[in-house]
Amino acid sequence: QSALTQPASVSGSPGQSITIPCTGTSSDVGGHNYVSWYQQHPGKAPKLVIYDVNNRPSGVSYRFSGSKSGNTASLTISGLQAEDEADYYCSSYTSSSTLEGSVVFGGGTKLTVL
Amino acid sequence: QVQLQESGPGLVKPSETLSLTCTVSGGSISSYYWSWIRQPPGKGLEWIGYIYMHTSGSTNYNPSLKSRVTISEDTSKNQVSLKVSSVTAADTAVYYCARGGHWDFDYWGQGTLVTVSS
Repeated sequence: QSALTQPASVSGSPGQSITIPCTGTSSDVGGHNYVSWYQQHPGKAPKLVIYDVNNRPSGVSYRFSGSKSGNTASLTISGLQAEDEADYYCSSYTSSSTLEGSVVFGGGTKLTVL
Repeated sequence: QVQLQESGPGLVKPSETLSLTCTVSGGSISSYYWSWIRQPPGKGLEWIGYIYMHTSGSTNYNPSLKSRVTISEDTSKNQVSLKVSSVTAADTAVYYCARGGHWDFDYWGQGTLVTVSS
């Protein structure tokens, strides 16, 4: 199974909005609504910020939102803050390999707040 | 508040078996899916597999690792374990245990670095 495709890096200024795309196939992102996004600061464990395409866990800022169109999911962060600088990973359920399915991650995107 | 703590040897020799334990506090492992995920130094995340206690401990593994991986549980100790056999340098990574729904992960351990080297 191939990893989902994310840009290596994105950047934005405080207060701006940025969007991170995550491209897969009809076997994963396009075929199921099980896309999640994780934020990872250096040396820390990942933190779930979006699940099931566009749902925010309790305690996650409203500035984080998710969407999907075709085989591409997106994470949008509005009102950028310095604390948002981190690596971001998308993941998706994939039905491509086994009957039960499995999970595939994107390669990660480094967000720099200028 | 659910907390997860990974433990195990930080150094494993090539061709041997990597063994890690995840101890869960603040909640029972009898519900939810319990996954292992790894991250090679400086690289991205890779899902290893999960165990689901609600259906008598059913497991599901990443197809690329399935032949070498076993995930098991000890409900009396509230622990989930991972074994990876025949390790090589490519298995060097930070290993995380995580709780989740079927396909997402809402609580993570701090991770433990395992280096494969002679």
